Amino acid sequence: QKEVEQNSGPLSVPEGAIASLNCTYSDRGSQSFFWYRQYSGKSPELIMFIYSNGDKEDGRFTAQLNKASQYVSLLIRDSQPSDSATYLCAVKRGAQKLVFGQGTRLTINP
Amino acid sequence: GAGVSQTPSNKVTEKGKYVELRCDPISGHTALYWYRQSLGQGPEFLIYFQGTGAADDSGLPNDRFFAVRPEGSVSTLKIQRTERGDSAVYLCASSTRTGNTGELFFGEGSRLTVL
Repeated sequence: QKEVEQNSGPLSVPEGAIASLNCTYSDRGSQSFFWYRQYSGKSPELIMFIYSNGDKEDGRFTAQLNKASQYVSLLIRDSQPSDSATYLCAVKRGAQKLVFGQGTRLTINP
Repeated sequence: GAGVSQTPSNKVTEKGKYVELRCDPISGHTALYWYRQSLGQGPEFLIYFQGTGAADDSGLPNDRFFAVRPEGSVSTLKIQRTERGDSAVYLCASSTRTGNTGELFFGEGSRLTVL
């Protein structure tokens, strides 16, 4: 079992709709969770982090964490074509190391 | 510089050759990471430096891979006797030690192709 698992997609969503991206992790002791966005041919960039159970909102993005189910999700409201990218879920291991999932490729269709 | 700088951006080499990849982190960032990313996969952790020392090298796949950061700034990833399976984008990232945001600032990567 991989430490961080994501559906590789591709996930196709119409413009203006809600995109929902999911991630599960295997280490029940994990405390910190991150979503990175990676445009094709570019490097990953942090878009959100979450530590506590529940929802965390930042503009059009909402991260959701359920530690009991070992599940993290990212919702993107009012999806735009510029949101088309690969979204990487990451879990912190130890003091500083991030373990990434394989990423979900998201396409927003105009 | 303003961001993490990696050189070369592209490297093509022959099987069995030696390769060095360089990373210049953001000024003042004490933590430096090397990741490897294959097509369609997420970044795979290789090694992490805090200052000059390797705090965690558990991701290095075998003893052909070695990394140094002698002065706590620039780092070099060294790959001996390259194999075709080493072909990937090698990403370097840096971060500050303090805070817990987990934000890694990535460079644009060095694409290694082993023929």
